[in-house]
Amino acid sequence: EAGVTQFPSHSVIEKGQTVTLRCDPISGHDNLYWYRRVMGKEIKFLLHFVKESKQDESGMPNNRFLAERTGGTYSTLKVQPAELEDSGVYFCASRGPAETQYFGPGTRLLVL
Amino acid sequence: RKEVEQDPGPFNVPEGATVAFNCTYSNSASQSFFWYRQDCRKEPKLLMSVYSSGNEDGRFTAQLNRASQYISLLIRDSKLSDSATYLCVVRPGGGATNKLIFGTGTLLAVQP
Repeated sequence: EAGVTQFPSHSVIEKGQTVTLRCDPISGHDNLYWYRRVMGKEIKFLLHFVKESKQDESGMPNNRFLAERTGGTYSTLKVQPAELEDSGVYFCASRGPAETQYFGPGTRLLVL
Repeated sequence: RKEVEQDPGPFNVPEGATVAFNCTYSNSASQSFFWYRQDCRKEPKLLMSVYSSGNEDGRFTAQLNRASQYISLLIRDSKLSDSATYLCVVRPGGGATNKLIFGTGTLLAVQP
């Protein structure tokens, strides 16, 4: 069974530019989560989709972040415009009916 | 105060040693508890869930004390391959999101 995949693995952009991260969950998993780890801090929850609906977006830092999951399959997380403090590792996780969340390898974002 | 607190380490131990990690959480209504393992520049992976009665998986033993809001992980007969960051993770109660709250992680380095 294929795991959670994320693209790109790395992204280096300049402040003010736009970046779009993609996550493909495990096939059949209705629940999709985005998390972020900034340097020196713990991994923090950003938001949760159930199929195509946002169940909880309480962790989104501000309105420069936009997440979508059209069709309830893959999800994108867009940062526009990117700021220096957005640098970090963005993890996606998916979950089926059981409790376990399976994480993708992450996208390492560096904003210069 | 962080929702989940861990000693960041590093813990440097020789092969064969027994090592214990501790974690405290602030939300007394938290419902589920986990230890995740994260290798360098990789995604977090579930090591084991933690139950009130305590549970064991091979060389790993996890315990939960709800009254003290304290979680522990014991690793016996440490192997070189156990070197990683161990993340204490809590699922808060309430709502349907099942989001996870992470500690900063404890770094373990097993020396030959």
